[in-house]
Amino acid sequence: KAGVTQTPRYLIKTRGQQVTLSCSPISGHRSVSWYQQTPGQGLQFLFEYFSETQRNKGNFPGRFSGRQFSNSRSEMNVSTLELGDSALYLCASSWAANTDTQYFGPGTRLTVL
Amino acid sequence: QQQVKQSPQSLIVQKGGISIINCAYENTAFDYFPWYQQFPGKGPALLIAIRPDVSEKKEGRFTISFNKSAKQFSLHIMDSQPGDSATYFCAASSSGGYQKVTFGIGTKLQVIP
Repeated sequence: KAGVTQTPRYLIKTRGQQVTLSCSPISGHRSVSWYQQTPGQGLQFLFEYFSETQRNKGNFPGRFSGRQFSNSRSEMNVSTLELGDSALYLCASSWAANTDTQYFGPGTRLTVL
Repeated sequence: QQQVKQSPQSLIVQKGGISIINCAYENTAFDYFPWYQQFPGKGPALLIAIRPDVSEKKEGRFTISFNKSAKQFSLHIMDSQPGDSATYFCAASSSGGYQKVTFGIGTKLQVIP
């Protein structure tokens, strides 16, 4: 069974631009969560989608948004990029419940110049 | 607000030694405590998990100890090997409602020969 895939793997943008990251979960998984990983903050939860609905949201500004499609694929969008948005963005999928194992993708490394 | 406090943030252990990483949580609603292992360039992967109805769980060289009254849990890696060098994250979640998985800040473990 294929794992979680994320595209693109690397991205370089400049301040003020916007970016869209994509995540394809493991087949059959209905929950997709997004995390921001930085050296000083660890894994920070962005949001979780389940059956096309945002079920949970972390403490990030409205510039960070996401959506999930009927095939469970998910995208996250960051508008008006800031230097501090440079991070590894990880997507994780699971069957459904909070205590199900989360399977992470390799991440998208975003650099904002 | 860091709901799961993890220490130390970095750890150097000699080959064959015991690596110990500690975590403490605040939310008494947490009832699932997984540990994730992350190698450079990869997403985190589930290593071992425990629920509060047991005080210890062992899988090979990896053991989780859980102290419900102290709201603490720890990961012990016995006979540490250079291949164990990675970043380890503790996490916690609640099976009730739709609460997110909360991660600790991570511990970078280096096992030296």
